[in-house]
Amino acid sequence: DADVTQTPRNRITKTGKRIMLECSQTKGHDRMYWYRQDPGLGLRLIYYSFDVKDINKGEISDGYSVSRQAQAKFSLSLESAIPNQTALYFCATSDRGRGYTFGSGTRLTVV
Amino acid sequence: AQSVTQLDSQVPVFEEAPVELRCNYSSSVSVYLFWYVQYPNQGLQLLLKYLSGSTLVKSINGFEAEFNKSQTSFHLRKPSVHISDTAEYFCAVSEGGGSQGNLIFGKGTKLSVKP
Repeated sequence: DADVTQTPRNRITKTGKRIMLECSQTKGHDRMYWYRQDPGLGLRLIYYSFDVKDINKGEISDGYSVSRQAQAKFSLSLESAIPNQTALYFCATSDRGRGYTFGSGTRLTVV
Repeated sequence: AQSVTQLDSQVPVFEEAPVELRCNYSSSVSVYLFWYVQYPNQGLQLLLKYLSGSTLVKSINGFEAEFNKSQTSFHLRKPSVHISDTAEYFCAVSEGGGSQGNLIFGKGTKLSVKP
């Protein structure tokens, strides 16, 4: 099994729908992150969590929310999806900033 | 706040030619530096990283990068590229010393290796 698992791998949803992207890890890391990737913009940080009780906004948090259900689980929600949230989403974990492990990504299309 | 600049969005080269992908960063504290590679339709893979010690770091597939503190750079080089090196490469920086900093990415450089 992968160290960082994202589900679903691909998703097409309609404008206005609520959608949740899930991430689980077996690395035992406290730190978890959600990024989105857009062509030409690299990866931008949406939310991050340094432990179960610590949630922080990243660079582009508007329109997103997160939940850290356990040390190993960190989910990202789009409360009301819009087309400009179409992107590739990555979950990652970190060993105190010395190494980052990324999931395989979730390709989300909002139509 | 930290930032990363990748100076070239696209780099076309011929097979077996040398290549340099440039990366500059800004930070007021010590840093950890990373290069990631993304092959078409795949996720991110760590290529190499600098945490401390020797400023020259190498990957298993022939890439190397040198941390230059005075020039705030971490350029990626390979003396002879292969078709299979065609991918997008991302430079990233985080605060060093196990701090609360996050990983900040550049916008990426697309390396296209032609036969």
